[in-house]
Amino acid sequence: QSALTQPASVSGSPGQSITISCTGTSRDVGAYDYVAWYQQHPGKAPNLIIYDVTNRPSGVSDRFSGSKSGNTASLAISGLQAEDEADYYCSSYTGDMYFVRFGAGTTLTVL
Amino acid sequence: QLQLQESGPGLVRPSETLSLTCTVSGDSISRSPYYWGWIRQPPGKGLEWIGAIYYSGSAYYSQSLRSRVTISIDTSNNQFSLRVNSVTAADRAIYYCVRQQGAAPRRVDYWGQGTLVTVSS
Repeated sequence: QSALTQPASVSGSPGQSITISCTGTSRDVGAYDYVAWYQQHPGKAPNLIIYDVTNRPSGVSDRFSGSKSGNTASLAISGLQAEDEADYYCSSYTGDMYFVRFGAGTTLTVL
Repeated sequence: QLQLQESGPGLVRPSETLSLTCTVSGDSISRSPYYWGWIRQPPGKGLEWIGAIYYSGSAYYSQSLRSRVTISIDTSNNQFSLRVNSVTAADRAIYYCVRQQGAAPRRVDYWGQGTLVTVSS
């Protein structure tokens, strides 16, 4: 079972915007609008920030937004803040016996 | 506020069985349409979905682990459990119990704090 492809790391300065990509296949990301994004600070459990490609759970800042084009989903973070420094994971429903596939994770550094 | 808490041994011997329990508080584990699952994360690595169970007892497992995993549920005590047989060093990970939407987790909206399980003799 291969992971969805994410960049290992991205960085940005406070106030800037960044985008993290998540590339799958036509059997997962491209086939279903069931992409989620999770933020994980060191030593903490992941926290859901985007679901169903574009939706934000209650309480999540509107600086976070999601989108999808073809087999690639993206997470955009605007107005970077120091607290955004964390690992970010995408996931996608697969429709096969694995049920869901996660990305390998992207480390965001706020310079 | 919904809370999930994992409990169980932090050390398991190779070839033996890993057993963890998740206690749910703040809501009933029988509440539809939620599933209750397990996700693991080897230290410093990514996330792997293990499986999930509905309050009715219907369980779903990832293909990669289904031959060694059993998830059960105890609605009277608001708990669900994980058993992984024949563990090896590759099973060393932080194990999270979670609440998820759907048998296949379209989204995981509540996580336990996680518990590290080490496999060693």
